[in-house]
Amino acid sequence: EAGVAQSPRYKIIEKRQSVAFWCNPISGHATLYWYQQILGQGPKLLIQFQNNGVVDDSQLPKDRFSAERLKGVDSTLKIQPAKLEDSAVYLCASRSIGQGLVASPLHFGNGTRLTVT
Amino acid sequence: TQLLEQSPQFLSIQEGENLTVYCNSSSVFSSLQWYRQEPGEGPVLLVTVVTGGEVKKLKRLTFQFGDARKDSSLHITAAQPGDTGLYLCAGLRYSTLTFGKGTMLLVSP
Repeated sequence: EAGVAQSPRYKIIEKRQSVAFWCNPISGHATLYWYQQILGQGPKLLIQFQNNGVVDDSQLPKDRFSAERLKGVDSTLKIQPAKLEDSAVYLCASRSIGQGLVASPLHFGNGTRLTVT
Repeated sequence: TQLLEQSPQFLSIQEGENLTVYCNSSSVFSSLQWYRQEPGEGPVLLVTVVTGGEVKKLKRLTFQFGDARKDSSLHITAAQPGDTGLYLCAGLRYSTLTFGKGTMLLVSP
């Protein structure tokens, strides 16, 4: 099966500019996640979707970050305006709940590396 | 608040040595997963442990889930350079998967 696709692979912007990331999950995976991974740290959950509904966005900085998952498939994550501390790798992951929530793995894309200057 | 504490943060060893990585929390998890991440790639699942006290083996890797389902360990026997990477534990509470900060392992030939 095809994996999780993310684009772009790299992005360099200046602070206060806007940026958008795109994610195409594995076909049939109802749950989609966006994580932020700062260098040297583990991934931090930004938002979790179940189909096209938001399950958890408690750690999403909503004054500058937004995300949507139209039609319950692809998703976009936007930052507007960007700050220096937003420099990180943004990972998208999807999960099938066919095995049950407890045991099913997250399948990650390779991420988008964002540098804010 | 960091729910999952991993130790050590960094480990550099020689090929053939054994090592153990720890993942600790004050919270109880429905399950705990271990992932390995290589540079420029997303994390890849190694194992899921669900039952308190559970032990799973994956070739030279042994994973254990604490009896109270609050902690876990990963033991690698006779480490090889191919084991180099960032090892992440992740705990599931309700429907949310939370990651620790990871242990960076470097195995030199």
